[in-house]
Amino acid sequence: EVQLVESGGGLVQPGRSMKLSCAASGFTFNNYDMAWVCQAPKKGLEWVATISYDGSSTYYRDSVKGRFTISRDNAKSTLYLQMDSLRSEDTATYYCARGGELGYYFDYWGQGVMVTVSS
Amino acid sequence: DIQMTQSPASLSASLGETVTIECRASEDIYNGLAWYQQKPGKSPQLLIYNANSLHTGVPSRFSGSGSGTQYSLKINSLQSEDVASYFCQQYYDYPWTFGGGTKLELK
Repeated sequence: EVQLVESGGGLVQPGRSMKLSCAASGFTFNNYDMAWVCQAPKKGLEWVATISYDGSSTYYRDSVKGRFTISRDNAKSTLYLQMDSLRSEDTATYYCARGGELGYYFDYWGQGVMVTVSS
Repeated sequence: DIQMTQSPASLSASLGETVTIECRASEDIYNGLAWYQQKPGKSPQLLIYNANSLHTGVPSRFSGSGSGTQYSLKINSLQSEDVASYFCQQYYDYPWTFGGGTKLELK
């Protein structure tokens, strides 16, 4: 059974940093691209970042470029999102998601972790 | 960026009814479209990919169709467990973008 378990969320002040982790199990982690998708309270879904199966390629939405860094440790089957210079508009639930086998859709999602940016 | 417009934003239907949700892309996305279901307080779950392929374990009452810029999700014989929000997503071109969502309730 595919499982994705996020951790690391919480309350953080504007301008500070936070690192999210996603522990994967139930599949061969280094065979799949992985992504982070966020959802602001009572809002829709927004793709944040994607990393290729081997970590060689990364992609970001414009609003987080230069502030967020997606990375992975295939030996530990873990995905990360380093978030720097956080803003109030980054407040959201962040989901870890597995990339689809036939395209850049997301076939399995974690339960999500809440990040609140506020003073 | 490709804009995804979903309609309706909310929908009320009766048990056993057939429901259709539409998604329009701002340009041709060549069937690079997925549909997700998100139940209250839960994470999204993939229903459909490549516009019309059913994801593993998804009931056959869900189906997807469309081409070009116009796509739809159909739910046959609505069940109580289908109460949820539904989102489309294009993955034809970076950045990947989602529709605003359709909230489905029981009448």
